[in-house]
Amino acid sequence: SQQGEEDPQALSIQEGENATMNCSYKTSINNLQWYRQNSGRGLVHLILIRSNEREKHSGRLRVTLDTSKKSSSLLITASRAADTASYFCRPFGNEKLTFGTGTRLTIIP
Amino acid sequence: GAVVSQHPSRVICKSGTSVKIECRSLDFQATTMFWYRQFPKQSLMLMATSNEGSKATYEQGVEKDKFLINHASLTLSTLTVTSAHPEDSSFYICSGAEGEKLFFGSGTQLSVL
Repeated sequence: SQQGEEDPQALSIQEGENATMNCSYKTSINNLQWYRQNSGRGLVHLILIRSNEREKHSGRLRVTLDTSKKSSSLLITASRAADTASYFCRPFGNEKLTFGTGTRLTIIP
Repeated sequence: GAVVSQHPSRVICKSGTSVKIECRSLDFQATTMFWYRQFPKQSLMLMATSNEGSKATYEQGVEKDKFLINHASLTLSTLTVTSAHPEDSSFYICSGAEGEKLFFGSGTQLSVL
């Protein structure tokens, strides 16, 4: 099964700063999705970018996709304390998919 | 967006008892539901995939007789942990697929004493 690998594993930044996390995968995809998980909760779908898109925005989120490098990045601008969570990417193709270990983001007030 | 309701959110039980976790898709029909297990600060481990009206497909290493999955309708899937033991203590999460997206329940923290 394919899973995305998020990098870094952990990230701590000051409130108001931008946070960038990356995802790498191995095979061809139809789209790539990012999810957020708050501690002790289920995952929440954040944004989906299709394989023919290079960049997508949603509020303070900006996602890029480079299919030639098989990588994606998630940028959270003007971070807030409520953004503290784990973030997972999910490459979506024809294979059965699982999740990587995620990036644990901590926003320091 | 679509909502998946998972109950209970927390359960404490004695060793040897069985625990049932319910997962309902409230505003969409989830022909496929996924069950995951998650240990602290680790990723989700896919346990099984359940399709409405058919037997669940279990991942390697997951005992199907211990983790019984029933997906009797398009909106309800259940996971029963049979004869639970302390090593089964974990966070269990379900998700339903609507198109390309997954919608997750809020999870169940199982503690087996």
